Amino acid sequence: AQSVTQLGSHVSVSEGALVLLRCNYSSSVPPYLFWYVQYPNQGLQLLLKYTTGATLVKGINGFEAEFKKSETSFHLTKPSAHMSDAAEYFCAVSLSGGSYIPTFGRGTSLIVHP
Amino acid sequence: EAGVAQSPRYKIIEKRQSVAFWCNPISGHATLYWYQQILGQGPKLLIQFQNNGVVDDSQLPKDRFSAERLKGVDSTLKIQPAKLEDSAVYLCASSSVLDTQYFGPGTRLTVL
Repeated sequence: AQSVTQLGSHVSVSEGALVLLRCNYSSSVPPYLFWYVQYPNQGLQLLLKYTTGATLVKGINGFEAEFKKSETSFHLTKPSAHMSDAAEYFCAVSLSGGSYIPTFGRGTSLIVHP
Repeated sequence: EAGVAQSPRYKIIEKRQSVAFWCNPISGHATLYWYQQILGQGPKLLIQFQNNGVVDDSQLPKDRFSAERLKGVDSTLKIQPAKLEDSAVYLCASSSVLDTQYFGPGTRLTVL
């Protein structure tokens, strides 16, 4: 079985500041890891994913995440926040070699102040 | 390419009524998923289809929820009868490669 913990239901940053959204996972086998973004009244959009290979993954809109097996973490970062980044962010884990059904975290709401 | 389409976008019903949601996946995507997203939580899988066959429906409350995917394309999710706790956003997703899902905009259901 797998699970995801997103630390902090809300994260508030100023425009131009570093964005850091934390995600820790548990998985009995090598995981596939995902970050999704959800804007108000919209579905989820894939930001980036880690399956195998390079542990630093670059996604859309300037986001990136690093898979750290020793820390069981997959934190999402962006060097400089933009007002348009305000949204709900979900971390998800699925089992490699399985059905690939992701288990989602509870989400982190990113608030960006001008 | 066109994304995953869902309708209606919003639905308000009284408890014990029935409701149906429709999903049209991205063309060529063999796998289709229905998720339930309760306010403040991440999406939870209800059912997964591979073409028109069910792969996983272990978390579908089968006493009131049903889903079908005729001809392996469009899908319908039905709730009958609805309960207050069914108030949620129902998301449809599709995939061609199993590890990447593409989500529709969702249907927000309010049960009064």
